[in-house]
Amino acid sequence: DTGVSQDPRHKITKRGQNVTFRCDPISEHNRLYWYRQTLGQGPEFLTYFQNEAQLEKSRLLSDRFSAERPKGSFSTLEIQRTEQGDSAMYLCASSLDGVNQPQHFGDGTRLSIL
Amino acid sequence: KQEVTQIPAALSVPEGENLVLNCSFTDSAIYNLQWFRQDPGKGLTSLLLIQSSQREQTSGRLNASLDKSSGRSTLYIAASQPGDSATYLCAVANYGQNFVFGPGTRLSVLP
Repeated sequence: DTGVSQDPRHKITKRGQNVTFRCDPISEHNRLYWYRQTLGQGPEFLTYFQNEAQLEKSRLLSDRFSAERPKGSFSTLEIQRTEQGDSAMYLCASSLDGVNQPQHFGDGTRLSIL
Repeated sequence: KQEVTQIPAALSVPEGENLVLNCSFTDSAIYNLQWFRQDPGKGLTSLLLIQSSQREQTSGRLNASLDKSSGRSTLYIAASQPGDSATYLCAVANYGQNFVFGPGTRLSVLP
């Protein structure tokens, strides 16, 4: 169990640029979640995959955001035309199947928009 | 819409004290409630998960209780240590696989 891995750890970019983050879940976990966390707040749910299927998307996930998990393993989260308000920590979590399985989090990608 | 609150927002205690953190939620239609710990600049570490049919869970010096009907959970930490200093968050798993987090309680345990 190597844990959930996220890359990069930090991303600084100019407003209007596109950015992509990667998450590698724990290998046997078929559920994968993306969250956004701003300073002093708890994480906000963005989207969730079961294997390669994206099963739920939050209203927070505007059309500038897209997430994929093409082979049911790693996932990517892309933000197009970044805005100042996108500055946040983006967290990925994974779990085994089942509603009562605990989520295991990565250390996140901190995005700063200049 | 599910809302999760945590009281207090911040807490500072001397080492060795027992303490209680509180979590409240507005919609009792949940699968479970999970407590997490977050260290600065890091992700979340799962501490305890209480299923909706359970009343409490224990792990070492930690004990979490759940009263689903009243929408409350407490995290009890016994004999606090400086290494317990972190932000503690609770999260509820709603029907529909939507997870809602509280804002957290920032705990400082002073040596």
